[in-house]
Amino acid sequence: GEDVEQSLFLSVREGDSSVINCTYTDSSSTYLYWYKQEPGAGLQLLTYIFSNMDMKQDQRLTVLLNKKDKHLSLRIADTQTGDSAIYFCAETPGRDDKIIFGKGTRLHILP
Amino acid sequence: GAVVSQHPSRVICKSGTSVKIECRSLDFQATTMFWYRQFPKQSLMLMATSNEGSKATYEQGVEKDKFLINHASLTLSTLTVTSAHPEDSSFYICSASGTGTYNSPLHFGNGTRLTVT
Repeated sequence: GEDVEQSLFLSVREGDSSVINCTYTDSSSTYLYWYKQEPGAGLQLLTYIFSNMDMKQDQRLTVLLNKKDKHLSLRIADTQTGDSAIYFCAETPGRDDKIIFGKGTRLHILP
Repeated sequence: GAVVSQHPSRVICKSGTSVKIECRSLDFQATTMFWYRQFPKQSLMLMATSNEGSKATYEQGVEKDKFLINHASLTLSTLTVTSAHPEDSSFYICSASGTGTYNSPLHFGNGTRLTVT
């Protein structure tokens, strides 16, 4: 079946790098996504990676994909207080737009 | 970039009444829109997939007569929660996918917080 797993909490000191990890089960996944949700708001697409790539970098964000291990990570460099949010890993399994989400990782920034 | 507008952002209604939530794609045509529900501190649960001009496809366990979805145009989908009960209180989020795209990134509305008293 389709399943996306991620740890529920992460605490990081301001200025350090944050690494949020995610595993998925469907080997036919085409796109993998990272979404950010701030309190009371909808989801903001942060970045996505096509399954034939292994890395994508966009300013402070680096996505790493290990397709063999079905492992996806999001690294946020120089973490700021504004990065405090819930980060959802998601995948689209196969050829349709249905998207499967993980439970989200709450990122807490320590002063 | 693509924008999805969802309205209202918050609604409080009495038990037994119906509530309509709108989801609009502002600068692209959305052949497919998705409705999700999010319980506190939990992930998003896909409720249904709506395609313009056809009936919505509901996920297992979602009552189609309770959560009415209409996707009458390429820019508008509505979710109506009929005969709402307190257990329907939740955060509802829509997302949209454009025409001619395959597995394109989905864009989300800002969500609607429904509270049923």
